[in-house]
Amino acid sequence: GAGVSQSPSNKVTEKGKDVELRCDPISGHTALYWYRQSLGQGLEFLIYFQGNSAPDKSGLPSDRFSAERTGGSVSTLTIQRTQQEDSAVYLCASMGQGLLGTEAFFGQGTRLTVV
Amino acid sequence: QKEVEQNSGPLSVPEGAIASLNCTYSDRVSQSFFWYRQYSGKSPELIMSIYSNGDKEDGRFTAQLNKASQYVSLLIRDSQPSDSATYLCAVRLRGYQKVTFGTGTKLQVIP
Repeated sequence: GAGVSQSPSNKVTEKGKDVELRCDPISGHTALYWYRQSLGQGLEFLIYFQGNSAPDKSGLPSDRFSAERTGGSVSTLTIQRTQQEDSAVYLCASMGQGLLGTEAFFGQGTRLTVV
Repeated sequence: QKEVEQNSGPLSVPEGAIASLNCTYSDRVSQSFFWYRQYSGKSPELIMSIYSNGDKEDGRFTAQLNKASQYVSLLIRDSQPSDSATYLCAVRLRGYQKVTFGTGTKLQVIP
């Protein structure tokens, strides 16, 4: 597809389980971001990948969170031993040229619910 | 101090009025500035970008940038109920692709 694709769109998991969230960025975009958005809140930066450079992990809230980007394309965000406070929408964005110049294009998000 | 700060609102304006949304940023080497609109339950979408001091107009939207005072604003003229959304300010540093978002201002346009 032409846009950023995230899967699954919804995920319900039990507390303590591990989850993997996937992001397929727009082809050719070298920058990829993960954000988290809790209900009614703003975007919380998690991690940023730029080409082959070391990722900026400064936003990851704990060592239960990790992310990879394989081959400079698909990215996976992994949350281990999920907690209820991890419940949020996880948004992925890739950056490239749009109609308004360089912009971040967002996927539709993965809504994670930890029960 | 947060890198990008916005008043969370909600900002309520009557239909047809001008809505003024403000954003301040802390890093003086910030180079690119963006306004994103996010409807409830949807992903953010870019509506304006601005790179130099002054005003940039696009239809009913005007972005204003003042680098000396480190603020950027978004004016929406002739506000419509369909403009009701959360508006996110975002900033990118010079020579760096990381984009930092503010927490957003919720706008409500009252018919």
